[in-house]
Amino acid sequence: EAGVTQSPTHLIKTRGQQATLRCSPISGHTSVYWYQQALGLGLQFLLWYDEGEERNRGNFPPRFSGRQFPNYSSELNVNALELEDSALYLCASNVPTAANYGYTFGSGTRLTVV
Amino acid sequence: KQEVTQIPAALSVPEGENLVLNCSFTDSAIYNLQWFRQDPGKGLTSLLLIQSSQREQTSGRLNASLDKSSGRSTLYIAASQPGDSATYLCAVDSNYQLIWGAGTKLIIKP
Repeated sequence: EAGVTQSPTHLIKTRGQQATLRCSPISGHTSVYWYQQALGLGLQFLLWYDEGEERNRGNFPPRFSGRQFPNYSSELNVNALELEDSALYLCASNVPTAANYGYTFGSGTRLTVV
Repeated sequence: KQEVTQIPAALSVPEGENLVLNCSFTDSAIYNLQWFRQDPGKGLTSLLLIQSSQREQTSGRLNASLDKSSGRSTLYIAASQPGDSATYLCAVDSNYQLIWGAGTKLIIKP
């Protein structure tokens, strides 16, 4: 069974540009979660999508946005990139209504803003 | 507001030792607690998931316990090996949002 897959592995952008990160959940998983791991700040919750809807978002500005497609894959868009957006972005998936619904993470996208 | 703390921040021990990593949280109203491992520059590998109604889970040389009333979890690693070297992260699920500890960086010396 394929795990959570994220693309691209690495992404280098210039300040002010837009970045698009992609995530494919485990087959059968309906929820996708995005987390940011910035150096020195630890892991922080960004967004939760379930059944195509945004269910919750963390304490991030509106230039962080995303969507979930009918096949449950997801995109994270970061507009007007700032240097401090440089981080590892991790995606996780699960079935939140399952009795034992732990989170499975992908390998992440390393975003570098220069 | 849920806060998660992990102690120690770093640990270096010789191969073969048994060790305990600690995780504490401030709000006992959690859905579950999950332990992860992260190798440098890599993603997260799930080690153990403990539901709020459970007291412990075991997988191979790993055993995790949960005491909701005291807001504590421990990860016990038996007979440590150099391949266990990594950062270990504890995460508490509060309403489908994982709240993370800062991690324990573990080094196992051959």
